[in-house]
Amino acid sequence: EVQLVESGGGLVQPGRSLRLSCAASGFTFDDYAMHWVRQAPGKGLEWVSGISWNSGSIGYADSMKGRFTISRDNAKNSLYLQMNSLRAEDTALYYCAKGGYSGYIRYFDYWGQGTLVTVSS
Amino acid sequence: EIVLTQSPGTLSLSPGERATLSCRASQSVSNNYLAWYQQKIGQAPRLLIYGASSRATGIPDRFSGSGSGTDFTLTISRLEPEDFAVYYCQQYGSSPLTFGGGTKVEIK
Repeated sequence: EVQLVESGGGLVQPGRSLRLSCAASGFTFDDYAMHWVRQAPGKGLEWVSGISWNSGSIGYADSMKGRFTISRDNAKNSLYLQMNSLRAEDTALYYCAKGGYSGYIRYFDYWGQGTLVTVSS
Repeated sequence: EIVLTQSPGTLSLSPGERATLSCRASQSVSNNYLAWYQQKIGQAPRLLIYGASSRATGIPDRFSGSGSGTDFTLTISRLEPEDFAVYYCQQYGSSPLTFGGGTKVEIK
C-alpha cells in the first residue's frame, strides 16, 4: 500500500523559512517523480513543484520560483521542500503527491494527507 | 502557462442523475494529457481519470472522461451518494502543471 506522510508544517512568521518532509513507502520510490501541491484554506489546488526520479529535472510554479527548493533523498525514500521568504499567501495545506511516471510532468496518482503551514506574525 | 477553466462552479443534482462537468484550456493540451480528481471534505484528492479518458485503478465505470485539444468533459453516469464532492481537472501537457478552479457537485 502506497503511503505518503508529510511533516514539518506549523506556524511561522512572514519572511522566515520552513522545511517540509514527506516519507514514502509501499512503492519503489526512486522509480517515480514526486511533487508538492498546496491548497489554501477554502480554495482550490495549486501545484508547487515537482522533481523527477533522479532529481535531473525539476519544475516550479512561477510564484514559488526562487523562494522554494524541492529535493529528494532516494536512499531515505524522502521528499523535501525548503521554503524561504514565506508570505501570508503561502498559508496552505501542503500535500506530497506521487507522480505517475519517472518524469515530473505527469498526473498525481497518490496523495498524502497534508501538512499545514500557517504564515502569520 | 495553460489556464484551465471549469464550469459550472456548482452543480446541484439528485442521486441517480447524470453529471457533466466541463474543463476548458486556454491553449491545446499536449497529447490530451488531462487528469480529473475528486476531493471530499477533509480528504486528499483522489485520481479518477488520466490521459483524458483512462480510468485510474479502482475507479468505478460510472466515471468517464472525454475530450481533446482544449475541451474536456468528466461524466458521472448515475450519481451515487458518495460522489457528491469537488472535482478538479489538471493538465500535464506542459510545465507548469496547472489545475482548474474546481466544480462542486452538491445534493439538490
